[in-house]
Amino acid sequence: QSVLTQPPSVSGAPGQRVTISCTGSSSNIGARFDVHWYQQLPGTAPKLLIYSNTNRPSGVPDRFSGSKSGTSASLAITGLQAEDEADYYCQSYDSSLSGVVFGGGTNLTVL
Amino acid sequence: QVQLQESGPGLVKPSQTLSLTCTVSGGSISSGNYYWSWIRQHPGKGLEWIGYIYYRGSTYYNPSLKSRVTISVDTSKNQFSLKLSSVTAADTAVYYCARVARGFDPWGQGTLVTVSS
Repeated sequence: QSVLTQPPSVSGAPGQRVTISCTGSSSNIGARFDVHWYQQLPGTAPKLLIYSNTNRPSGVPDRFSGSKSGTSASLAITGLQAEDEADYYCQSYDSSLSGVVFGGGTNLTVL
Repeated sequence: QVQLQESGPGLVKPSQTLSLTCTVSGGSISSGNYYWSWIRQHPGKGLEWIGYIYYRGSTYYNPSLKSRVTISVDTSKNQFSLKLSSVTAADTAVYYCARVARGFDPWGQGTLVTVSS
C-alpha cells in the first residue's frame, strides 16, 4: 500500500478533461514537500511531467497542469488525446519515513 | 543533453548480490547541482525509490532496503552504482537510474533484473 494514494484508473473521451488525485498526509504533501508527476508510456521509462507542484518541464504540452492543496495534489489533462494513454505517478518526500515516496500509479484510458 | 544508461547482469541467483552501474553522458556527475538515484519497478507494479547519492559520496536510502543497499559513485568514470545484497525473487524488477533535482529527470531506459536459480 502506497503512502500516496491515487485512483487505480481513470478514463475519458478524446477532447475531454480528466483529473488524477494524489492524497497524502501531514508528513508528506501536507508538510509542504513538493509533488512531482510522471508519465509512463507502455514499455518505456517514466518521464517527468510536472515538477514542484505546478511547473511543466520544457516540451510538456500546456494541456497538462498540476495543483496542490493541503494534503493532496492533482494532475489535470485537458483536450485528451489517444497518445495520453499511460500510467501516471505522483511523488513526494515523507518526513516520517525519511525518504522519497511514490503514489501507486493511475492508468489513464482514452475511450 | 544529459543521458543515463544502466548496465549489469540481467540474471542474479538468490542470496547473491545484484550489481548495476549507471553511466552518465552529456554532463558531469560532479556538477554539484544534482543527486543521482536508483528506482525500481516490480513487474506490473508501481515505482519504488531505492536511494540516491551526491557526487561527494553522501547517501540516502529507502529505510526498507537500507540494510541491503549500497550506492557508490565513480566521478572519474562519470558513473554511479547500485549493490543490493542477499537478493530473493522479490527483488526481480526493472531497475532505473535517474538524476535528481526538482523531481527525477531524466531517467535511464531501465534494465530488467531477474532473480532466479
